[in-house]
Amino acid sequence: AAGVIQSPRHLIKEKRETATLKCYPIPRHDTVYWYQQGPGQDPQFLISFYEKMQSDKGSIPDRFSAQQFSDYHSELNMSSLELGDSALYFCASRPGTAANEKLFFGSGTQLSVL
Amino acid sequence: GQQLNQSPQSMFIQEGEDVSMNCTSSSIFNTWLWYKQDPGEGPVLLIALYKAGELTSNGRLTAQFGITRKDSFLNISASIPSDVGIYFCAGLRAGGTSYGKLTFGQGTILTVHP
Repeated sequence: AAGVIQSPRHLIKEKRETATLKCYPIPRHDTVYWYQQGPGQDPQFLISFYEKMQSDKGSIPDRFSAQQFSDYHSELNMSSLELGDSALYFCASRPGTAANEKLFFGSGTQLSVL
Repeated sequence: GQQLNQSPQSMFIQEGEDVSMNCTSSSIFNTWLWYKQDPGEGPVLLIALYKAGELTSNGRLTAQFGITRKDSFLNISASIPSDVGIYFCAGLRAGGTSYGKLTFGQGTILTVHP
């Protein structure tokens, strides 16, 4: 079965650079979520999209922006990168917004900021 | 914000032993989810619970949604070496603009000795 695809799997950037992370949800899933997981931490919700519109916002820095495109894939854009942005970034998708719809995670993008 | 307290933080057990971990919250959640995460990978859904009092099994895993909707536990019976990983509980508050963003517990690191 198709899963959530994230690219790249690993990304190394320097401080003050920009990065773009991509997420391709499971087919027919119209809701996408972005999470950030620091080393030894639990995942923290950043932002979500439903039907290409931002649906919820969590602890996402102003330096980050995201959008969902017409094919439902999503991109997380990160500017002026800081050392503390080094983390595993997960995308998750689900088919709609009903409470009993399960959330499936991608394998993540490991971002290292040097 | 909403907090999930997950315990224990880590467990070291012998193969064949049973394991129990739990999550508690001061807030009510409408859905409880249990995920397993391997290093450098995304969380994989193990069990989803949708109703207070619900007891659900998935092979050697059993989880329950607390009657107060503020807690959940996960049991693993007859552990095997491949059960090693980090287990996260996650709560979901559907409704309003929160289209399903998850709040995670801090994780339980499970080590199984052969």
